[in-house]
Amino acid sequence: EAGVTQFPSHSVIEKGQTVTLRCDPISGHDNLYWYRRVMGKEIKFLLHFVKESKQDESGMPNNRFLAERTGGTYSTLKVQPAELEDSGVYFCASSRGVLAGGYEQYFGPGTRLTVT
Amino acid sequence: GDSVTQMEGPVTLSEEAFLTINCTYTATGYPSLFWYVQYPGEGLQLLLKATKADDKGSNKGFEATYRKETTSFHLEKGSVQVSDSAVYFCALSDNYKLSFGAGTTVTVRA
Repeated sequence: EAGVTQFPSHSVIEKGQTVTLRCDPISGHDNLYWYRRVMGKEIKFLLHFVKESKQDESGMPNNRFLAERTGGTYSTLKVQPAELEDSGVYFCASSRGVLAGGYEQYFGPGTRLTVT
Repeated sequence: GDSVTQMEGPVTLSEEAFLTINCTYTATGYPSLFWYVQYPGEGLQLLLKATKADDKGSNKGFEATYRKETTSFHLEKGSVQVSDSAVYFCALSDNYKLSFGAGTTVTVRA
């Protein structure tokens, strides 16, 4: 079974440009999450999808970030326009069910975003 | 809100040394507690977990005990190997999302 994959592995863009990150969850996992680690600090929750619906986007930093999960399969996270403080590692995770139900979240390798 | 504080690194050890990484948490209710590990070039992997007070999680020689009275979940390993070099993250969960600490980078020298 393939794990969670993320593309690209690394992106370097200039301030003001647009970047789109992609996450392909494990097949059959209805739950998909985005997290972010900025400057070696805590990994912070961004949002949670169940199939194509956003269940919780309370962690999204501002309206420059847009996440989608069309068809309930892969997800994209767009940053437009990018700012310097958006630099960090963006992790995607997926699970069959929620943590409270005993289900594990499986993480991808992350996309390292550098905004110059 | 929920938060996790873990020992700052980096930590450098020799093979066969004893490793402890301290982790304390603040949470409402009774969260589950986790340790995740990120090996170089890889994604986060669940190392161990505990779901209630006094539970001990263990895996690959690592152990951590859920201590409600001290709100702690310290990670220990009695004899580390070079292959244990990684970044370790303590985390807690509510229903569906994880709250992580800042991570501790551990380097084990041969």
